[in-house]
Amino acid sequence: ETGVTQTPRHLVMGMTNKKSLKCEQHLGHNAMYWYKQSAKKPLELMFVYSLEERVENNSVPSRFSPECPNSSHLFLHLHTLQPEDSALYLCASSQGREGDGYTFGSGTRLTVV
Amino acid sequence: GQQVMQIPQYQHVQEGEDFTTYCNSSTTLSNIQWYKQRPGGHPVFLIQLVKSGEVKKQKRLTFQFGEAKKNSSLHITATQTTDVGTYFCAGMNTGFQKLVFGTGTRLLVSP
Repeated sequence: ETGVTQTPRHLVMGMTNKKSLKCEQHLGHNAMYWYKQSAKKPLELMFVYSLEERVENNSVPSRFSPECPNSSHLFLHLHTLQPEDSALYLCASSQGREGDGYTFGSGTRLTVV
Repeated sequence: GQQVMQIPQYQHVQEGEDFTTYCNSSTTLSNIQWYKQRPGGHPVFLIQLVKSGEVKKQKRLTFQFGEAKKNSSLHITATQTTDVGTYFCAGMNTGFQKLVFGTGTRLLVSP
C-alpha cells in the first residue's frame, strides 16, 4: 500500500457507459493529480487539484470530468469514451509544495470496448 | 509546451554491468525528480534534485542535475535483476505544481 488507494483496479466499459474512478489518499497531502499512461507514450498530466481547487486542466476532452470533494478524495467521471481512451489512469498526491515527490496509487487499468 | 526527453528508450544489460539514462528538458527547470516503475506497477519516487550541478547518491544509484538545470542523468553501478523497470525523470517549472514526465528508459537486466 502506498497511502494512495485507487478503485477499481480494472475496468471494462462500453462507449456508451458512464463510470467513475476513485482515488483516496491517507497521507495528509493537499494536492492531487490525475495522470494517463498509454503504451509507448509518456505519463500525461490530466488534472491538478490544490486544496480542492482545480488549478490545471491539461486540454483534456470533456468526456473526462474530475471531482475533488475534499483534500482526501478525487474522482474521475467517465462518459461516452472512445477506444483510444484505454489506458492506465494513475492518481497521485503531494504536499503541494514545489519539489515535493508525488505518491502514486496503483492505477486503474481501463479498457473501452 | 514543455517537453522532457530521455535516452535511451530501452537498454538490456547483463547483471553487473553499469547503466545510465539521460534526461533533457526543452526548458529550464526549478527541480527534477526521478521515479522507478516496475513492470505492472506504478511510479515510485526515488529522489529530487534542486541545485545546479547537484549530485546525489543512493547506494548504487547516482543522480546528477546539469549546470544549466535543463538536463539530468541517472547512473546505476553494477546492475542487479531487482533494478529492472522503467526509469522516468520528471521536471517542474518554477512556481507551479505541474510535474512533466520524461519519455522513460526501460531497463532489462539478465542474470
